[in-house]
Amino acid sequence: EAGVVQSPRYKIIEKKQPVAFWCNPISGHNTLYWYRQNLGQGPELLIRYENEEAVDDSQLPKDRFSAERLKGVDSTLKIQPAELGDSAVYLCASSSLTIQGTEAFFGQGTRLTVV
Amino acid sequence: KQEVTQIPAALSVPEGENLVLNCSFTDSAIYNLQWFRQDPGKGLTSLLLIQSSQREQTSGRLNASLDKSSGRSTLYIAASQPGDSATYLCAVKRVRAGNQFYFGTGTSLTVIP
Repeated sequence: EAGVVQSPRYKIIEKKQPVAFWCNPISGHNTLYWYRQNLGQGPELLIRYENEEAVDDSQLPKDRFSAERLKGVDSTLKIQPAELGDSAVYLCASSSLTIQGTEAFFGQGTRLTVV
Repeated sequence: KQEVTQIPAALSVPEGENLVLNCSFTDSAIYNLQWFRQDPGKGLTSLLLIQSSQREQTSGRLNASLDKSSGRSTLYIAASQPGDSATYLCAVKRVRAGNQFYFGTGTSLTVIP
């Protein structure tokens, strides 16, 4: 079974440009997360979806970040415009909604460099 | 808010040595604790998941323990190998935060051949 798939793996853009990341979670996983990981730090949650609903987006910088999860499956995270401080690894993860103690599975991440 | 701390931040050991990585968390009301491995430039690979009702989990040379009341977990790696070199992260799923995971900053492990 395929794991969590993210694309692209790497992205280099100039500041003020837009960028989008895509995530395909594990089939049947209702919960989808987007995390951001800065160098030398642990991942920090940006947004969490339960099916199509964004149930926790309190740490998403809404002035420039947006996300969507159409039909409760794939998700897209967008930054517009990007700033130098947005350089980080963006990780997508999924887990089952119905059981609170279930394991989370992460994708390979998208490494964003803003120059 | 859940604070997750990992000590040490970095560790270097000779091949074959047994080692212990530590993870502590401030809110003991958790669903589970998960240990991950992260290789440079890569995503997170799940190693072990311990439910809040469990005391330990084992997989091969890895053994993770959980003491929920004291807010601590340890990851024991037996007979370390150079291929174990990576960053190890622990994450807790907090009861009061639904399905959100809180991560520590990780321990960077180097196993010297």
